[in-house]
Amino acid sequence: GAGVSQSPRYKVAKRGQDVALRCDPISGHVSLFWYQQALGQGPEFLTYFQNEAQLDKSGLPSDRFFAERPEGSVSTLKIQRTQQEDSAVYLCASSTDRGNSPLHFGNGTRLTVT
Amino acid sequence: AQSVAQPEDQVNVAEGNPLTVKCTYSVSGNPYLFWYVQYPNRGLQFLLKYITGDNLVKGSYGFEAEFNKSQTSFHLKKPSALVSDSALYFCAVRDRGGYNKLIFGAGTRLAVHP
Repeated sequence: GAGVSQSPRYKVAKRGQDVALRCDPISGHVSLFWYQQALGQGPEFLTYFQNEAQLDKSGLPSDRFFAERPEGSVSTLKIQRTQQEDSAVYLCASSTDRGNSPLHFGNGTRLTVT
Repeated sequence: AQSVAQPEDQVNVAEGNPLTVKCTYSVSGNPYLFWYVQYPNRGLQFLLKYITGDNLVKGSYGFEAEFNKSQTSFHLKKPSALVSDSALYFCAVRDRGGYNKLIFGAGTRLAVHP
């Protein structure tokens, strides 16, 4: 496909479980972003990759959150020991490295922690 | 710090009437401003951006936005609303730095009534 693909679309986890969310960016896109969108809120920045390098992780809310992009393509966001406050939609976006090029978003993964 | 504000949680408009969704910004330096739309259970879709040049920016689906430096505003407009325009709209500003990290507003829900 031509767009950003995220899986799974929905994930239900019991509190304390670990989860892994996957993002397949648009082929050739250098930049990859993860955002967290709580219900009724705008997306909040979590982390940014340029190719395989994680250049900004200032938005990760705790050390339970970890992201990787080992080969500069697919990325995984991992949340350890999930808490109820982690319930949100996790959005992945990619873009070219040209300045001010728009972000292309996936449909997100809705995480519900029970 | 860069930020945007969307003062209206919801905007209601009748089909065929003009619509405006408001956005104000606070930035240091030249602003790079964006509008995105989000349909239910979908990711964000890029509508338009202002980087420099003409204050009136035209985008997708007949939308346009007017950049006003003195009022620090970037309102989204459309001359004639469609029911299918009903969605969540987000204004965003590019954060300072060398990549396309976006800071989003809280969003405005647009409801177009037949």
